[in-house]
Amino acid sequence: EVGMTQSPATLSVSPGERATLSCRASQSVSRNLAWYQQKPGQAPRLLIYAASTRGATIPDRFSGSGSGTDFTLTINSLQSEDSAVYYCQQYNNWPPAFGPGTKLDIK
Amino acid sequence: QVQLQESGPGLVKPSETLSLTCTVSGGSISDYYWNWIRQSPGKGLEWIGYISHRETTKLNSSLKSRVTMSVDTSKNQLSLSLTSLTAADTAIYYCATTSWSLDAFHIWGQGTMVTVSS
Repeated sequence: EVGMTQSPATLSVSPGERATLSCRASQSVSRNLAWYQQKPGQAPRLLIYAASTRGATIPDRFSGSGSGTDFTLTINSLQSEDSAVYYCQQYNNWPPAFGPGTKLDIK
Repeated sequence: QVQLQESGPGLVKPSETLSLTCTVSGGSISDYYWNWIRQSPGKGLEWIGYISHRETTKLNSSLKSRVTMSVDTSKNQLSLSLTSLTAADTAIYYCATTSWSLDAFHIWGQGTMVTVSS
């Protein structure tokens, strides 16, 4: 099974600034990597798939990059509504697996 | 746009069997693969398995011996059964779509909380 790790566990950033979140897979997952945003009391929402393709209705402030084992989610011009937990997920190998998440606080 | 709505008992006793339903609206069962995912404080997000409209299934080996999935195309509903429950099965259970068997989870239901307790 592919293990997923994320860093940092918690990130605090000011409005208007940029946040950079990292995700690492224990073996190559090619570009079969997705990012999700989860707010309290809500289901996860797909932000990015295929490492860098934005999901429907996702603003272009969100961007993804990487391939193989190392991936990055970048959120530009942070807004208060971006406060959430962000998860990465690989879908290159069975079973699909999620990282533990990064909690993003907008201070 | 496809919408998913999970439903279930909320509270179940240890050793009993959990039965959950996911109702699909705004789309056809045949359009997607249908996954069950759960989220608990201890284990995070965990993929349980998927079922296709042709009732092909693939299950996480960690739960395979206790899980059954089914689909009712006439009702546009999916079902999940999980046997021999323990406190470790306490979680929010989601249904979610993929466009093929191994894919990102594009559409999620709101989830249903299940607590295993006597």
